[in-house]
Amino acid sequence: AQTVTQSQPEMSVQEAETVTLSCTYDTSESDYYLFWYKQPPSRQMILVIRQEAYKQQNATENRFSVNFQKAAKSFSLKISDSQLGDAAMYFCAYFMNAGGTSYGKLTFGQGTILTVHP
Amino acid sequence: DGGITQSPKYLFRKEGQNVTLSCEQNLNHDAMYWYRQDPGQGLRLIYYSQIVNDFQKGDIAEGYSVSREKKESFPLTVTSAQKNPTAFYLCASRVGGEKLFFGSGTQLSVL
Repeated sequence: AQTVTQSQPEMSVQEAETVTLSCTYDTSESDYYLFWYKQPPSRQMILVIRQEAYKQQNATENRFSVNFQKAAKSFSLKISDSQLGDAAMYFCAYFMNAGGTSYGKLTFGQGTILTVHP
Repeated sequence: DGGITQSPKYLFRKEGQNVTLSCEQNLNHDAMYWYRQDPGQGLRLIYYSQIVNDFQKGDIAEGYSVSREKKESFPLTVTSAQKNPTAFYLCASRVGGEKLFFGSGTQLSVL
């Protein structure tokens, strides 16, 4: 079964600094997608960034970028120039796009609470 | 506007009662999901459906039931067999390998 592990329950960063959130996953598949979602206090889930496993290039969205290491099954999120509005719970997620009994299943990690200090 | 609508926003259940959470989407997405979130915890998959009239159990399906009679609708029933139902419930839909679209959630509490 696919599992997603976020080993950092909490992280903190100073405003304008850079922080990296870790995520590892376990899979025997080669065709899948990885996501980072943000959940602010409103509890609305917001997509931060998406990575397709077959793409070597790391995804980037403005201040957010990932370090995707497929062989190591690692998918970390880097937030540059942190802002107060980045404070939230961040979830890593894995989606398998292949056939089989787990097709279409989207699995989330346990989350990392990010605090941004002014 | 296209999106996912969950209702009600807050729901209270009496002991021994079944309650149903509504999830409707107008995005024309085939796949729909139900997740449970406990305070300070991650999202755990309850049920998911790839197409109409078909659904699969997720990781914590016991005490829950679903139906998928229409593409737009994926209601979740929390049965009396679910002994600890207090949680935040999120519905989502997906097309292909693109992102999930989430509803705004339902907070279920026990009276």
